[in-house]
Amino acid sequence: GAVVSQHPSRVICKSGTSVKIECRSLDFQATTMFWYRQFPKQSLMLMATSNEGSKATYEQGVEKDKFLINHASLTLSTLTVTSAHPEDSSFYICSARGRRNTEAFFGQGTRLTVV
Amino acid sequence: AQSVTQPDIHITVSEGASLELRCNYSYGATPYLFWYVQSPGQGLQLLLKYFSGDTLVQGIKGFEAEFKRSQSSFNLRKPSVHWSDAAEYFCAVGAGAAGNKLTFGGGTRVLVKP
Repeated sequence: GAVVSQHPSRVICKSGTSVKIECRSLDFQATTMFWYRQFPKQSLMLMATSNEGSKATYEQGVEKDKFLINHASLTLSTLTVTSAHPEDSSFYICSARGRRNTEAFFGQGTRLTVV
Repeated sequence: AQSVTQPDIHITVSEGASLELRCNYSYGATPYLFWYVQSPGQGLQLLLKYFSGDTLVQGIKGFEAEFKRSQSSFNLRKPSVHWSDAAEYFCAVGAGAAGNKLTFGGGTRVLVKP
């Protein structure tokens, strides 16, 4: 299957700083990428959908100015958590789909801890 | 809007015993349905999916699932579990192109007793 890589796998940052998470499709061109958030012992919630070269579409209740998504190329999407606060601590997972894929492939996730 | 319910939060099963995980969905059209498995601190691995056709779907690791439209269900089964099957399992319904915009159920944590 296709490979999606997320980096970093874990990050700890101070409150008020910004953190960037990368999601790369390694062996296919990802026309669409999805960003999810998972709180401890809870399910995944879709945050936003991004298509290459266009603005991301955010789900209701997700602050687009806080969670900046950039999908500048067909192999890379980034999620930047701006002015992070402890309540932003969570597990963030991306998935990516290419033109020829019938399914989206998930990255391994990024554990963000804001202290 | 679509929704997914996994009634069982935890299931404990003995190694070698059969396993069935329940999933009920709500969706206005023919659904795209998925089962994923997540090991602790890891991403998601697709076990199987249903788009159309045969309602009994075979997946990886010996899992299968049956789509029952009349019951709005997509239950996951495995005849004989292995200790390595201990994980969190998520059912999801998809919207959009190829159903990739996913709505997940709450998950079922499976514990396997020796």
